[in-house]
Amino acid sequence: SQQGEEDPQALSIQEGENATMNCSYKTSINNLQWYRQNSGRGLVHLILIRSNEREKHSGRLRVTLDTSKKSSSLLITASRAADTASYFCATTGGGFKTIFGAGTRLFVKA
Amino acid sequence: GAVVSQHPSWVICKSGTSVKIECRSLDFQATTMFWYRQFPKQSLMLMATSNEGSKATYEQGVEKDKFLINHASLTLSTLTVTSAHPEDSSFYICSARDPDRESIGYGYTFGSGTRLTVV
Repeated sequence: SQQGEEDPQALSIQEGENATMNCSYKTSINNLQWYRQNSGRGLVHLILIRSNEREKHSGRLRVTLDTSKKSSSLLITASRAADTASYFCATTGGGFKTIFGAGTRLFVKA
Repeated sequence: GAVVSQHPSWVICKSGTSVKIECRSLDFQATTMFWYRQFPKQSLMLMATSNEGSKATYEQGVEKDKFLINHASLTLSTLTVTSAHPEDSSFYICSARDPDRESIGYGYTFGSGTRLTVV
């Protein structure tokens, strides 16, 4: 079952610009993760934020979590053409199940 | 870091035959593994949760007799698509939970996926 929605569904930006993707979920969570997937490939874990955290940084990535609104955002700063991929948020709750959002397809134009 | 090996990476089979996909955790013990299915340009749909030594827990709408999951050891889970039909063609991905890595802020580790085409 899908956990929630991501928006936008697709995003096209110029190299150097920032990209922001949002994710909403429906149930209580232990943590929220963001993953990247290049076309037809496996997933790469980007960052994990726990339910008691509000913001986390990793390199050019910044993730926020608002548990009261059941939402999260992923910001990629100074985007590069190599950032072109699909990005998924995923939530883990009881039973360790990880449920994925619908994903955002990011296209960064060189 | 944690590595999950999944194979085959792609397989073409005839309608009516069965296909087995393997998912191995190479450098950690995975008490829990997950199997997902992904259609083109869509998200990952959780099919089942596989716990070592016990029966898999299937998500609503997933036929357990169609998708047989075996997790006989702490490092290996298998998904067998039985009597495959063209509508079973999809991208199947496994993931494994490493509690030690999870405690220090890492997500689950995913295999590279298997693209199944049933003709």
